[in-house]
Amino acid sequence: EVQLVESGGGLVQPGESLKLSCAASGFTFSGSPMHWVRQASGKGLEWVGHIKRKPYATEYGASVKGRFSISRDDSKNMAYLQMGSLKVEDTAVYYCTTVVRGISAFDAWGQGTMVTVSS
Amino acid sequence: DIVMTQSPDSLAVSLGERATINCRSSQSVFYTSNNKNYIDWYQQKPGQPPKLLIYWASTRESGVPDRFSGSGSGTDFTLTISSLQAEDVAVYYCQQAFTAPLTFGGGTTVEIK
Repeated sequence: EVQLVESGGGLVQPGESLKLSCAASGFTFSGSPMHWVRQASGKGLEWVGHIKRKPYATEYGASVKGRFSISRDDSKNMAYLQMGSLKVEDTAVYYCTTVVRGISAFDAWGQGTMVTVSS
Repeated sequence: DIVMTQSPDSLAVSLGERATINCRSSQSVFYTSNNKNYIDWYQQKPGQPPKLLIYWASTRESGVPDRFSGSGSGTDFTLTISSLQAEDVAVYYCQQAFTAPLTFGGGTTVEIK
């Protein structure tokens, strides 16, 4: 069974940093791109960015570019989202998601982890 | 960036009736190399992550009831629920997977009339 489990969310102050983790199982992790998608309360879905399989190219959405960084450890089946210079508007549920079956779409999602940025 | 515009924002449909959601992309999401439109549809219920319904514009995900169907090509796409069931109450999103940054439509809330 494919599983994605996010962790690391919490309450931080504006300007601080936070690192989210995504533990994957049930599929060939090294062969799949890993994406992060976020959702502010009552709002729609926003793609944060992704890291492809080797050689690990990354791309980001405009609102987080230069502040967030995605990495992965294929030996541990883990993906990470390092968030820096956090803003109040980064407050959201952060989902880890991936493409397991080589289709165009996200066919596996985690349950999400809440990040609150507030003073 | 490709802008995804969904309509309507919300709709109320009677049980057993048809629900139609539209999605327009600001540029074509059709890949000529494989003749596929890179549009996906997701369903999201409160407190849950999104669930994949349709990929490549019209391919139904395994396990998704056949009352859900996707159509369209180029820049205009539609998700149709042929006979609305109570469990279909949710927010529906389209998404383009054609090029980064990947972008979602604003969502359509489907309710029972």
